[in-house]
Amino acid sequence: DAGVIQSPRHEVTEMGQEVTLRCKPISGHNSLFWYRQTMMRGLELLIYFNNNVPIDDSGMPEDRFSAKMPNASFSTLKIQPSEPRDSAVYFCASSLLGQTNSPLHFGNGTRLTVT
Amino acid sequence: GESVGLHLPTLSVQEGDNSIINCAYSNSASDYFIWYKQESGKGPQFIIDIRSNMDKRQGQRVTVLLNKTVKHLSLQIAATQPGDSAVYFCAERGGGFKTIFGAGTRLFVKA
Repeated sequence: DAGVIQSPRHEVTEMGQEVTLRCKPISGHNSLFWYRQTMMRGLELLIYFNNNVPIDDSGMPEDRFSAKMPNASFSTLKIQPSEPRDSAVYFCASSLLGQTNSPLHFGNGTRLTVT
Repeated sequence: GESVGLHLPTLSVQEGDNSIINCAYSNSASDYFIWYKQESGKGPQFIIDIRSNMDKRQGQRVTVLLNKTVKHLSLQIAATQPGDSAVYFCAERGGGFKTIFGAGTRLFVKA
């Protein structure tokens, strides 16, 4: 089975540039989550979608961050303009919420470096 | 200069011994708890979960214990192997669907 697929695996960009991270959730899952992992703050939830609708974006750090889920099989996280403090590993996860036990299934992340 | 990062607790065990990783959770309303394993360069991987109406659940070589009175969760790994070396996270889910992660514990298995 294909798990959660994220691209690119690594992204290096200069401050001020736009960055777009992509995620394909597990087929049949109805929820998608974007997390950011840093040494300083650990794993932070940025935003999550249920049935393609954003439910909670309270973790999105600033207006420079935006996320979309145009359909059940694709989501993007965009940072515009990027800043060095955005450097982190960004994870996408999906789940089948509504079941009794529904853990998150994570992709392998995108390591973002902003210089 | 370097920024100060999280100082992950580290547990070092001998291969073949049992490991116990502890976690304190914060939200008394949380009703679902999960343990994840994260290896270098990979995303967190689901290990085992437990709902709040249970106090123990066993998997293959792993057991999760839940003590709601003191808001404590533990992961026990039997006969620890070098491949178990990783960072382990506990996570909780309360009202809504948000899963909140703890800081993590690094497990180091000595051969």
